[in-house]
Amino acid sequence: AQRVTQPEKLLSVFKGAPVELKCNYSYSGSPELFWYVQYSRQRLQLLLRHISRESIKGFTADLNKGETSFHLKKPFAQEEDSAMYYCALKRGANNLFFGTGTRLTVIP
Amino acid sequence: DVKVTQSSRYLVKRTGEKVFLECVQDMDHENMFWYRQDPGLGLRLIYFSYDVKMKEKGDIPEGYSVSREKKERFSLILESASTNQTSMYLCASSSHAGVSYEQYFGPGTRLTVT
Repeated sequence: AQRVTQPEKLLSVFKGAPVELKCNYSYSGSPELFWYVQYSRQRLQLLLRHISRESIKGFTADLNKGETSFHLKKPFAQEEDSAMYYCALKRGANNLFFGTGTRLTVIP
Repeated sequence: DVKVTQSSRYLVKRTGEKVFLECVQDMDHENMFWYRQDPGLGLRLIYFSYDVKMKEKGDIPEGYSVSREKKERFSLILESASTNQTSMYLCASSSHAGVSYEQYFGPGTRLTVT
């Protein structure tokens, strides 16, 4: 069965500290994974997709098929990173399955 | 720039009322989706549509129906609203899958059923 697990509902880090938001998935095929972000009073938007192997706003995420993980990392957290983060797994041709989300708070 | 708009930001309805939530996208996207967003539960897919007049059940379709008469518009209908349908509702759209697959979201409608 397809599943996305984000074990932390809340995560607080100090400004300048490294941050890692965890995401584990369960999928029988070749997974496509995404991170979406929702800043306060803004709409949900794509942050990055694993297939692009990109770094957006200093965030990176590497797909680890052995550990079935797609953790989101940033070496130095900024206050503007405070937001709700969702990991998502593509299922079928045009569908996404979202995790339960992690609310990140960066403490000044 | 993709624009997904939702008819209301806030809505308050009474138990038993019929509720319509409207979503419009302006990018000629084939796919449209309705989610509900609840703390601790994340985004859960209610219904989606791949084309005009097509609809597919998502993970939590009970108590909801949808309508897609035009490509740009996707409506979510609560036939008889109940208090457990109090939630944030998000609409999204996307083109068909490719290497740049992305869902674009509307601002959300916060529905309160009293």
